[in-house]
Amino acid sequence: DTGVSQDPRHKITKRGQNVTFRCDPISEHNRLYWYRQTLGQGPEFLTYFQNEAQLEKSRLLSDRFSAERPKGSFSTLEIQRTEQGDSAMYLCASSSGTAFQETQYFGPGTRLLVL
Amino acid sequence: AQSVTQPDIHITVSEGASLELRCNYSYGATPYLFWYVQSPGQGLQLLLKYFSGDTLVQGIKGFEAEFKRSQSSFNLRKPSVHWSDAAEYFCAVGASGGSYIPTFGRGTSLIVHP
Repeated sequence: DTGVSQDPRHKITKRGQNVTFRCDPISEHNRLYWYRQTLGQGPEFLTYFQNEAQLEKSRLLSDRFSAERPKGSFSTLEIQRTEQGDSAMYLCASSSGTAFQETQYFGPGTRLLVL
Repeated sequence: AQSVTQPDIHITVSEGASLELRCNYSYGATPYLFWYVQSPGQGLQLLLKYFSGDTLVQGIKGFEAEFKRSQSSFNLRKPSVHWSDAAEYFCAVGASGGSYIPTFGRGTSLIVHP
């Protein structure tokens, strides 16, 4: 068990470019969550998967955002046509089982800066 | 919808002193409550959680929290703070029915003086 990993850890991009982040959950965790955290705020939920199914999306997830978890293992979060307001830390978490009480284990995050 | 208020943005304590971080929640039914800690450059780590039962919850690193329904509070405490406890602390609330997704507070930054 190596924990939740995220790649890259840092990303600087220019406005209008597309970016993609990857999250590798703890092996055999069937739930995977994406959050966004801006400076001075707590994490805000974006979306979550149970296995490969995307079960819920926040209204924060605009049409420019898309997330996938094609084989129920790793997940990607893509932001198209980035805007300066997308600058934030993007956190991934995973949990096992089907009960929502299961502890979520967080990765270190990907810090995005849009210039 | 549920919400969380952490009224203190920063808390400064001396090493060895006791600590209490405040958390107030809003939710119509019995909530699920969590405290997480985030060190610089790190992800969030769960300190403790409350779902039901004993309202005094013990967590890791010597932390505890008490659920008080009458006050809609879930304050985090530690009897003696260590310099390594300096970090950002987040309280979160989850709905006990239907789709559960935690709502986080804005966090309290803990500064520990030697």
